[in-house]
Amino acid sequence: GAGVSQSPSNKVTEKGKDVELRCDPISGHTALYWYRQSLGQGLEFLIYFQGNSAPDKSGLPSDRFSAERTGGSVSTLTIQRTQQEDSAVYLCASSLELAGGFWTDTQYFGPGTRLTVL
Amino acid sequence: GENVEQHPSTLSVQEGDSAVIKCTYSDSASNYFPWYKQELGKGPQLIIDIRSNVGEKKDQRIAVTLNKTAKHFSLHITETQPEDSAVYFCAASIGNQGGKLIFGQGTELSVKP
Repeated sequence: GAGVSQSPSNKVTEKGKDVELRCDPISGHTALYWYRQSLGQGLEFLIYFQGNSAPDKSGLPSDRFSAERTGGSVSTLTIQRTQQEDSAVYLCASSLELAGGFWTDTQYFGPGTRLTVL
Repeated sequence: GENVEQHPSTLSVQEGDSAVIKCTYSDSASNYFPWYKQELGKGPQLIIDIRSNVGEKKDQRIAVTLNKTAKHFSLHITETQPEDSAVYFCAASIGNQGGKLIFGQGTELSVKP
């Protein structure tokens, strides 16, 4: 079946501009995550949506970063007034998370959006 | 805060040899430990995972072991092949509620033919 998709695959922008990155999770997956991967680094958690619960925004690095998830499916990560240090690959993942489940469910990743801020 | 340490950062082996990557975690409530393989320009792909109710899991040439007491887990790849060359990441769940993962810094594995 279709996996997690992200668009655009690459985005080049100028410092100070706003950008929007899109994630389409696997159909039926209730949980959605955004991560950031800087060059040669591990994955840094940004934000987590689970069903209708309030999102966990504890990983967002500044108030320039925000994300929303409409209709429990597609998510958009917005970075306002981009800075050069925002340059990274932004990865989205989704999982089939059962409400009240004890075990963490497998996360499936999209191909990422490579953001370059000039 | 929660932390996952991964070693080594780079690993070079000859084709056919075994490769071992080790991770330690800090949160004693972590109960889920996935391993991901990331090839250049692609997103991470899950290769194997283990939950805290078992100590070992194997899938063909790949195995993972978990020592909850010591809070460490390891990835073992046997009979390595050039196509195993990639960056491998370990991760641990944060506590036992919700789906957040904390990732290690990655190991770049190179398998020389």
